[in-house]
Amino acid sequence: DTGVSQNPRHKITKRGQNVTFRCDPISEHNRLYWYRQTLGQGPEFLTYFQNEAQLEKSRLLSDRFSAERPKGSFSTLEIQRTEQGDSAMYLCASSDRDRGGQETQYFGPGTRLLVL
Amino acid sequence: SQELEQSPQSLIVQEGKNLTINCTSSKTLYGLYWYKQKYGEGLIFLMMLQKGGEEKSHEKITAKLDEKKQQSSLHITASQPSHAGIYLCGAIKGAQKLVFGQGTRLTINP
Repeated sequence: DTGVSQNPRHKITKRGQNVTFRCDPISEHNRLYWYRQTLGQGPEFLTYFQNEAQLEKSRLLSDRFSAERPKGSFSTLEIQRTEQGDSAMYLCASSDRDRGGQETQYFGPGTRLLVL
Repeated sequence: SQELEQSPQSLIVQEGKNLTINCTSSKTLYGLYWYKQKYGEGLIFLMMLQKGGEEKSHEKITAKLDEKKQQSSLHITASQPSHAGIYLCGAIKGAQKLVFGQGTRLTINP
């Protein structure tokens, strides 16, 4: 399977603990995105990388959140001192520009986080 | 505030019936994407529309972008149980990020 993969698929943690999620994009896609989705809503943008550079961060991304993409391949999203409000599905997507100049974001299966 | 409004929010149809989902923006759309999501899973890309009046089809699903590029519709012909899920429209905002509607939950009754 050469799609976007995310690990773990599910995470249950206690309030105050740190968690880290990993995303492996489609090979050679140079853009990688993180979104958060709560129940009954569409995904909300968190941040994106062009290769290893983090180019944009949403104000949703508080200082407890940090994302990295050290070698321009996989990415990690860490949440420190988790709060119950962090419970959500965290989605990763990757994209590249095709020959026609069109850019399409392909999503992974997501990591569902539950903070108790 | 929600920049993309989808209607209806939920839809229940009998298998074999046709249906339409709408996505409306208050601003001109530069790239409108349709995705499908099964409960608890990631998004599956369906189609992308860029030009006013553009229409694309994939199997029994047809998406259109109006001439003013502020509204898109997704039409499913002869619905099947496999069409059930949440349909999301998304639009490019700024550099590359997608802004999504709240989704339309589709249920197909046998």
